[in-house]
Amino acid sequence: EAQVTQNPRYLITVTGKKLTVTCSQNMNHEYMSWYRQDPGLGLRQIYYSMNVEVTDKGDVPEGYKVSRKEKRNFPLILESPSPNQTSLYFCASSFSGYNQPQHFGDGTRLSIL
Amino acid sequence: DQQVKQNSPSLSVQEGRISILNCDYTNSMFDYFLWYKKYPAEGPTFLISISSIKDKNEDGRFTVFLNKSAKHLSLHIVPSQPGDSAVYFCAASDLNAGNNRKLIWGLGTSLAVNP
Repeated sequence: EAQVTQNPRYLITVTGKKLTVTCSQNMNHEYMSWYRQDPGLGLRQIYYSMNVEVTDKGDVPEGYKVSRKEKRNFPLILESPSPNQTSLYFCASSFSGYNQPQHFGDGTRLSIL
Repeated sequence: DQQVKQNSPSLSVQEGRISILNCDYTNSMFDYFLWYKKYPAEGPTFLISISSIKDKNEDGRFTVFLNKSAKHLSLHIVPSQPGDSAVYFCAASDLNAGNNRKLIWGLGTSLAVNP
């Protein structure tokens, strides 16, 4: 089954404690992306990757890091999480770009206390 | 400033009737539009798209209409079914924006289809 898998689905943690949200896709997609969804602000892109070893900033990259060492995985790293990073996060992938239909994971709800 | 606006946060429709979800945009350079559907506790799923060279695209019960002069698009669902109850997002992009290419999302409209 074609899917994008995010882990964990839920996480409550404290300020400053490094965390990683993993994302994996099994569709051999070139393009992967991270979004956060906040009330009243909609979906905002954090980082995206056009291919292995190619990543670029989205609209709200501050406080986040990503890596794309292999095609299927695109982890999101919060080196020193802060309360303003409490949000619902989605990973997505598509065949070749942002305007292709994107497949989304089921989301990760992060709470930073 | 919202470049893609879904002015109705929610919509309630009777099963079997037509659902019309609206989306307005401000950037005349947008030339590709997508609709996504989202159920609770799941990620958005792609529904239908339309390029600015067309004014209508149809896929089964779903039709998207584009009015470029009014900078308006709408998603029609006919007939509506209870399983269509979800949040619908409109998204737009400028395919010629070079390095500034990105997808701009609306805030979504929550559709409830009542049996």
